[in-house]
Amino acid sequence: KAGVTQTPRYLIKTRGQQVTLSCSPISGHRSVSWYQQTPGQGLQFLFEYFSETQRNKGNFPGRFSGRQFSNSRSEMNVSTLELGDSALYLCASSFGGLGTFQTYEQYFGPGTRLTVT
Amino acid sequence: KNEVEQSPQNLTAQEGEFITINCSYSVGISALHWLQQHPGGGIVSLFMLSSGKKKHGRLIATINIQEKHSSLHITASHPRDSAVYICAVGPEETSGSRLTFGEGTQLTVNP
Repeated sequence: KAGVTQTPRYLIKTRGQQVTLSCSPISGHRSVSWYQQTPGQGLQFLFEYFSETQRNKGNFPGRFSGRQFSNSRSEMNVSTLELGDSALYLCASSFGGLGTFQTYEQYFGPGTRLTVT
Repeated sequence: KNEVEQSPQNLTAQEGEFITINCSYSVGISALHWLQQHPGGGIVSLFMLSSGKKKHGRLIATINIQEKHSSLHITASHPRDSAVYICAVGPEETSGSRLTFGEGTQLTVNP
């Protein structure tokens, strides 16, 4: 099975611009989660999509948004970029499922390294 | 206080040594994950466990739900084990894949 893929791998943007990152999950996985990793804050959960619906959301401003398509591919968008948005953005896919209060093993992509100047 | 705390933050070992990394958490969880991150960013899931003990090759993970504590052990460590090891928990009250992470333990294994 092919792994989780993320595009682009590297990106340089200017303050005020917007950016869209893409994540293709492992075939058959319906859940896609997004995470931000910075040296200061470590890894932080952004949001999770399952069957095209946002199922969980972290504590990030509304400038961070996402969506999921019918083929489970997901995109995240950051509008009005700030210097502090420079980070490694990781997505992870899992089987997901409809079980209550369950956590599923996650498979991470290689990440997109975003630099905001 | 962070919901997930790891110790030590940094660990240097000689090849062949037995290594232990600890993780304590303060919330109810559905499962605990141990992740490995190599330079360059790629993250690999090592274990997901909600009770007892799991073993994979030279890696062993244990969890004590009552004490809210987990350990990751590496037997016969090797320089290729050098990486950041991250503990993460899935909160008990949440469905799906929301994880809260520890700060990570930087492991360096010298030949």
